[in-house]
Amino acid sequence: SQQGEEDPQALSIQEGENATMNCSYKTSINNLQWYRQNSGRGLVHLILIRSNEREKHSGRLRVTLDTSKKSSSLLITASRAADTASYFCATYEIQGAQKLVFGQGTRLTINP
Amino acid sequence: ETGVTQSPTHLIKTRGQQVTLRCSSQSGHNTVSWYQQALGQGPQFIFQYYREEENGRGNFPPRFSGLQFPNYSSELNVNALELDDSALYLCASSLGGTATLEQFFGPGTRLTVL
Repeated sequence: SQQGEEDPQALSIQEGENATMNCSYKTSINNLQWYRQNSGRGLVHLILIRSNEREKHSGRLRVTLDTSKKSSSLLITASRAADTASYFCATYEIQGAQKLVFGQGTRLTINP
Repeated sequence: ETGVTQSPTHLIKTRGQQVTLRCSSQSGHNTVSWYQQALGQGPQFIFQYYREEENGRGNFPPRFSGLQFPNYSSELNVNALELDDSALYLCASSLGGTATLEQFFGPGTRLTVL
């Protein structure tokens, strides 16, 4: 089952602009992670934010988490053509297996 | 790139056949998770192996089975293939019991069932 829902499903912007993607989830979480996937290949871990954190930065990435609204956002600043990819949020379910529950993703296209 | 490798890269099978996919985990990792990603969808958890034992299973039928070996590499076996099994199969390795909880994904195996 899909836990997170990303919004928008697709986003197209000009190089140099900022891109914002949102994720909503349904259950209590230990942490929330964002992954990038290029053209149906493997996923690359971008950033992890724990349930007791509200904001986290990594280079051009900024992630926020609002556990009261069960939502997160990923901001990519000063976008580049190489940022073109699908972006997924995933929540960590700690019951039993270390299972990640992914959303359906946002397809981001950066136009030169 | 992560140190996780998967083989084969691509595979074409027909309905009813059986398939085995392989995954080598990153050095030092003792946990392997398998995910199925249908086209245009997010990955869905199939199962996880920790120290050679199944440690959780998603909503997949018993014809999806797996193994983990003493070197922590893993296999995913799918019997009686169906058209809907066509997908990208991803494995991810991690270190069980750590607080980091990051999973390192391999490049995936693209399975096409005709």
